[in-house]
Amino acid sequence: SAVISQKPSRDICQRGTSLTIQCQVDSQVTMMFWYRQQPGQSLTLIATANQGSEATYESGFVIDKFPISRPNLTFSTLTVSNMSPEDSSIYLCSALTGTNYEQYFGPGTRLTVT
Amino acid sequence: RKEVEQDPGPFNVPEGATVAFNCTYSNSASQSFFWYRQDCRKEPKLLMSVYSSGNEDGRFTAQLNRASQYISLLIRDSKLSDSATYLCVVNSPEAGSYQLTFGKGTKLSVIP
Repeated sequence: SAVISQKPSRDICQRGTSLTIQCQVDSQVTMMFWYRQQPGQSLTLIATANQGSEATYESGFVIDKFPISRPNLTFSTLTVSNMSPEDSSIYLCSALTGTNYEQYFGPGTRLTVT
Repeated sequence: RKEVEQDPGPFNVPEGATVAFNCTYSNSASQSFFWYRQDCRKEPKLLMSVYSSGNEDGRFTAQLNRASQYISLLIRDSKLSDSATYLCVVNSPEAGSYQLTFGKGTKLSVIP
């Protein structure tokens, strides 16, 4: 398994600003992901954070809005840019580990945009 | 569109009851299957992987039927602490993406 921490745990931000969320894993992992979970909904994959190269984004998500960094095998950041109230959500980092492609999740960042 | 479908519930069961959740998936190329548990306002936590031969972990039993593209989770002797949302999750490693597809979850409430 992997132990994953995220910072901040929550934030309230004004429309038009940006927030960077940090994700730290306690061991080196091959793949890291960023998800979003709206209230009462399931998880939606935003992108795969690739070490040393550009992130791979899912349909509906673009780099200009959600730039991602992954400078090494234990750390990644997600920035939510030019925020609007529709970006209010929980953002979750996860890491892929294990021989059965199990993913473990960070505690999430609860973002509210006013 | 690749989908994972679950009965959203809620399932309200008394302590000690046995409860079963079902899940179907649409992508026949799916290779790995999981049940996650998510408590209110918390992150999903891996409950168990689901293997073709079926597997058991204490009070929890998971089964996979590839022919029917169907996964199940059985909880015996339910405890109050089992109250949570149970997510059926399928991994479809196409093009090296290792993407997880989540069901919307089945909510379980175990009542005293």
